[in-house]
Amino acid sequence: SQQGEEDPQALSIQEGENATMNCSYKTSINNLQWYRQNSGRGLVHLILIRSNEREKHSGRLRVTLDTSKKSSSLLITASRAADTASYFCATALYGNKLVFGAGTILRVKS
Amino acid sequence: NAGVTQTPKFQVLKTGQSMTLQCAQDMNHNSMYWYRQDPGMGLRLIYYSASEGTTDKGEVPNGYNVSRLNKREFSLRLESAAPSQTSVYFCASSEASTPLHFGNGTRLTVT
Repeated sequence: SQQGEEDPQALSIQEGENATMNCSYKTSINNLQWYRQNSGRGLVHLILIRSNEREKHSGRLRVTLDTSKKSSSLLITASRAADTASYFCATALYGNKLVFGAGTILRVKS
Repeated sequence: NAGVTQTPKFQVLKTGQSMTLQCAQDMNHNSMYWYRQDPGMGLRLIYYSASEGTTDKGEVPNGYNVSRLNKREFSLRLESAAPSQTSVYFCASSEASTPLHFGNGTRLTVT
């Protein structure tokens, strides 16, 4: 069973626009992480937000966490063609055993 | 600075054949993981090793065995491959509660 569910499944935008992806999960978590996967490659960690944090920034990335709604969002501002990838949220229930969602496929058109 | 290295990159097996997927990390991490990725399913944890000498089952362990050979290496074995094991397999490593570092995957097809 999957803990995290991303929404939308796929997103297509123009270069320069913002991209927002959402993640919902089912049980209490220790932290929530976002990863990016370029085609044919392994996942790369983007950002980690702990359960006692509400918002975190890293460059053009902004992540929010609402533990009362069991949801998180990833905002990529001023998107670039190089941001084209699949994005996954992953929740850490305990220790470092991560449970991944099915991912959002982002396509940025130039 | 290799990070996590997986071999082979591609493999085709016939039903019933066996093989071992190799994984090595050079970051001195204690924890290592094996995930499989199927279309529309995200990544699912097969086995993990919290430290050298320990292994534990994840969400989908049936049909697989693992060996934590030493701190660097964590192998995944398919004793009798089945078409349902056609997937992309990822190895990852981490230290304590830090983010995971992934290899580039092994693409396995079982016919």
